[in-house]
Amino acid sequence: KAGVTQTPRYLIKTRGQQVTLSCSPISGHRSVSWYQQTPGQGLQFLFEYFSETQRNKGNFPGRFSGRQFSNSRSEMNVSTLELGDSALYLCASSSLDRVRYEQYFGPGTRLTVT
Amino acid sequence: AQRVTQPEKLLSVFKGAPVELKCNYSYSGSPELFWYVQYSRQRLQLLLRHISRESIKGFTADLNKGETSFHLKKPFAQEEDSAMYYCALRRGGTSGSRLTFGEGTQLTVNP
Repeated sequence: KAGVTQTPRYLIKTRGQQVTLSCSPISGHRSVSWYQQTPGQGLQFLFEYFSETQRNKGNFPGRFSGRQFSNSRSEMNVSTLELGDSALYLCASSSLDRVRYEQYFGPGTRLTVT
Repeated sequence: AQRVTQPEKLLSVFKGAPVELKCNYSYSGSPELFWYVQYSRQRLQLLLRHISRESIKGFTADLNKGETSFHLKKPFAQEEDSAMYYCALRRGGTSGSRLTFGEGTQLTVNP
């Protein structure tokens, strides 16, 4: 089975710009979650999408948004970028198996805001 | 709201020594606890889950609801165990996939 893929792997943007990151989950997984990883704050949950609907949302401003398509692929968008948005953005997909529940993580997209 | 705490940012042991990575949590409901590991230049991956009560790569972790802890243990550390370890919590009885992570512990096993 192919793992979770994320594109692009690296991105450099300027303050005020917007950015879109893409995630392709493992085939058959309908849940996609996004996390922000920074040295200071660690891993923080952004949001989760399931069957094209946002199911959970973390404590991030409205500049952070996402969506999911019918094939379960997901995108997240950050508008009006700030320097503090520089981070590794991780995507994870999971199945519905409760006993063997696991989130499979992608390699991440490294976003640098200058 | 739930919270996960890993009190040690850095932990250094010698090969063959026992190792324990601490994890404490606060959550009023029944949690599901996980340990994730990130080896150098690799993606974050699941090490073990409390619900399975399994031993992976010699590591075990027991959920202690009285002490709200889920410490990760290995009797004899190996150099290849050097990595970043994260404890994570998921709300029990939920269909959501939100994980709350601890700050992580960087484990170094010296030869």
